Amino acid sequence: KAGVTQTPRYLIKTRGQQVTLSCSPISGHRSVSWYQQTPGQGLQFLFEYFSETQRNKGNFPGRFSGRQFSNSRSEMNVSTLELGDSALYLCASSLRGQHYEQYFGPGTRLTVT
Amino acid sequence: GENVEQHPSTLSVQEGDSAVIKCTYSDSASNYFPWYKQELGKGPQLIIDIRSNVGEKKDQRIAVTLNKTAKHFSLHITETQPEDSAVYFCAASLTGNQFYFGTGTSLTVIP
Repeated sequence: KAGVTQTPRYLIKTRGQQVTLSCSPISGHRSVSWYQQTPGQGLQFLFEYFSETQRNKGNFPGRFSGRQFSNSRSEMNVSTLELGDSALYLCASSLRGQHYEQYFGPGTRLTVT
Repeated sequence: GENVEQHPSTLSVQEGDSAVIKCTYSDSASNYFPWYKQELGKGPQLIIDIRSNVGEKKDQRIAVTLNKTAKHFSLHITETQPEDSAVYFCAASLTGNQFYFGTGTSLTVIP
């Protein structure tokens, strides 16, 4: 069974631009969560989608948004990029919506210059 | 919200020795505790998990213990091997799939 895939794997953007990252969950998984990983803050929860609905949201500004499609694929968008948005963005999928094992993708490395 | 503390931040052991990583959590409502291993350039990989109705779980060389009263849980790796070298994260979940992660432990197994 194929794992979680994320595209692109690497991205370089300029301050003020916006970016869209994509995540394809494991086949059959309906929950997709997004995390930001930085050396200073570690792994921080951004938001979770289940059956196309955002169920939980972390403590991030409104510049961070996401959505989930009917095939469970998810995208996250960051508008008006700041230097501090440079991070590894990880997507994780889960079969169901409550305390089930989460499987992470390899991440998208975003660098903002 | 939940706060997860993890220690030590770095750990070096000789091959064949055991390694123990400890985490504490703040919210007694948390009821799911996974452990992840992250190798360089890769996403975290789930290695073992435990739910709040269980005190201990073992999978070959890896075991996790949970003390709900003290609000702490630990990862035990026995007979360590060089391929166990990685960063390990603990996490706690209150609801849904929103996980709070510890700050990570960089484990080095010396051959």
